[in-house]
Amino acid sequence: GAVVSQHPSRVICKSGTSVKIECRSLDFQATTMFWYRQFPKQSLMLMATSNEGSKATYEQGVEKDKFLINHASLTLSTLTVTSAHPEDSSFYICSARGYSSHQYFGPGTRLTVT
Amino acid sequence: GQQVMQIPQYQHVQEGEDFTTYCNSSTTLSNIQWYKQRPGGHPVFLIQLVKSGEVKKQKRLTFQFGEAKKNSSLHITATQTTDVGTYFCAGGKSNFGNEKLTFGTGTRLTIIP
Repeated sequence: GAVVSQHPSRVICKSGTSVKIECRSLDFQATTMFWYRQFPKQSLMLMATSNEGSKATYEQGVEKDKFLINHASLTLSTLTVTSAHPEDSSFYICSARGYSSHQYFGPGTRLTVT
Repeated sequence: GQQVMQIPQYQHVQEGEDFTTYCNSSTTLSNIQWYKQRPGGHPVFLIQLVKSGEVKKQKRLTFQFGEAKKNSSLHITATQTTDVGTYFCAGGKSNFGNEKLTFGTGTRLTIIP
């Protein structure tokens, strides 16, 4: 089946620094990639949708200047959390969709901001 | 905006008992997808339902899509310890294009051996 990887799996950073998370589709071309945020024991909240070569579409309430998304190729999307604060600590999950309508999820990145 | 609710939020069952989770959308959906997330893991796609009233089975799992395409259910027969996890439904609003999913609140299933 389709495989999506995320890097890093865990990251601890200091408040005020920026963190980049990579999402790659390993064996298929992802026309669309999605970024989600999940708090403990809660559901997935869509942050943004990105298409290769175009600007990401952010969900209401998500600051686009804080969560920078770049979808440079059909197999790579990156999420950069800028000027991170402790409240940004969360589980960030990406997913990728090829030509089917369902999404393949990456293993997630646990971000802790101290 | 669109909301997708699931009940129950938690379910503890004895191994071998059946389990059902219900999913309700505030708006009509074009399709409903189900995902399973194991503790500490990421969501894994289970199935997609598209047609009104559709029923699909995967071994001990039975999925239904309501006639009005606003609700769905997942039923597991004779649960096993491997069924532990959180089950999410996710509603889609179109059959093509840049469709985004709205995930339900999830039902966390625990099994008592």
